Amino acid sequence: EIVLTQFPDFQSVTPKEKVTITCRASQSIGSSLHWYQQKPNQSPKLLIRFASQSMSGVPSRFSGSGSGTDFTLIIHSLEAEDAATYYCHQSSDLPWTFGQGTKVEIK
Amino acid sequence: EVQLVESGGGLVQPGGSVRLSCAASGFTFSTYEMNWVRQAPGKGLEWVSYINFAGNVIYYADSVKGRFTISRDNANSSLFLQMNNLRAEDTAIYYCARVPFGEHIDYWGQGTLVTVSS
Repeated sequence: EIVLTQFPDFQSVTPKEKVTITCRASQSIGSSLHWYQQKPNQSPKLLIRFASQSMSGVPSRFSGSGSGTDFTLIIHSLEAEDAATYYCHQSSDLPWTFGQGTKVEIK
Repeated sequence: EVQLVESGGGLVQPGGSVRLSCAASGFTFSTYEMNWVRQAPGKGLEWVSYINFAGNVIYYADSVKGRFTISRDNANSSLFLQMNNLRAEDTAIYYCARVPFGEHIDYWGQGTLVTVSS
């Protein structure tokens, strides 16, 4: 099973600051890494697919990068509405797995 | 607009059974592979099961293999999860999720809560 480890687990950030979330895979997964945003009491929403492809309608302040085992989600200039838990997810191999999540709080 | 609406959750006793349904609309259901993903209260996401277009390629997480059965009815744009021999650790919100080209999840339903407790 491919294990995804996210750093950090929690981040408290001031609006307009930059947020960087890292996801590390236990083995190479190419670019089969996707990022989701989950707000309280909501289902997850796809932000970035295949490491760097932003989904339609997602604000341009969200960007993703990486390949192989190391991936990054960046929120350039955090806004209050970005308070959520962010998950990475790999679809390279079964069983599909998720990172443990990174909770982003607004200061 | 893509919509996935789960139903069938509730309180069930350990060892009991429940059948979840997911009604899909806003897209051609028969051309998409589908997943079930669950989330225990306050916890992260766990992939549960996958089914292909025709329903003849199916995968399960080891934690549910032999107890859960995924199926689909393309004529009625519906996805199902039959859950048997339930355990306390199966308590979770169960999400129906769309899988374009079998490559990732792009849409999730709102989820249905299954609570396994006596």
